Amino acid sequence: GIQVEQSPPDLILQEGANSTLRCNFSDSVNNLQWFHQNPWGQLINLFYIPSGTKQNGRLSATTVATERYSLLYISSSQTTDSGVYFCAVHRIQGAQKLVFGQGTRLTINP
Amino acid sequence: SAVISQKPSRDICQRGTSLTIQCQVDSQVTMMFWYRQQPGQSLTLIATANQGSEATYESGFVIDKFPISRPNLTFSTLTVSNMSPEDSSIYLCSVEDLPGDRETQYFGPGTRLLVL
Repeated sequence: GIQVEQSPPDLILQEGANSTLRCNFSDSVNNLQWFHQNPWGQLINLFYIPSGTKQNGRLSATTVATERYSLLYISSSQTTDSGVYFCAVHRIQGAQKLVFGQGTRLTINP
Repeated sequence: SAVISQKPSRDICQRGTSLTIQCQVDSQVTMMFWYRQQPGQSLTLIATANQGSEATYESGFVIDKFPISRPNLTFSTLTVSNMSPEDSSIYLCSVEDLPGDRETQYFGPGTRLLVL
């Protein structure tokens, strides 16, 4: 099956810092989503981004489908950004189900 | 987006018993899924809940252990049967293929299960 690798696995930053999270995938995809899981376990969809660039406030994401990676940028981090960020993909070929990466645990210290 | 609720939000159960988790969506959706998230791990798809027919299970998950019902387009249940401590996890339902938002997947708040 498709492999989804996220890096770094853990990231600790001070409030106000910027960060870049990476997601590499091993096959062509037609669906890529970024999620944030807050400390209470709720999963929030941040972006649907199979290709191109999107921005939403302090967050932006870029997917380069031909090179099989996606980046999530967080600027001016706040403590509420803490949690785990997951990347998930659908393969173009085969069953249309989301496969999740292992996540990046982000801790923002005040 | 969709508003998704799950019941119960959390439970502590004894080994050998069963728990049924409910998932309710505020709009009709084609695709509903059940995931498991073991402590400190990522999400693993258990099955796709199909309306009016048997669920489609992923490798490693079987109907006898995780029976699923989907009587209509807004509701589904997942039962965790004959529980053991290894079943302690967060169980999440999710939906996809909403009217006007076909590709994005939305998750319920999850059910935290602890098996003693």
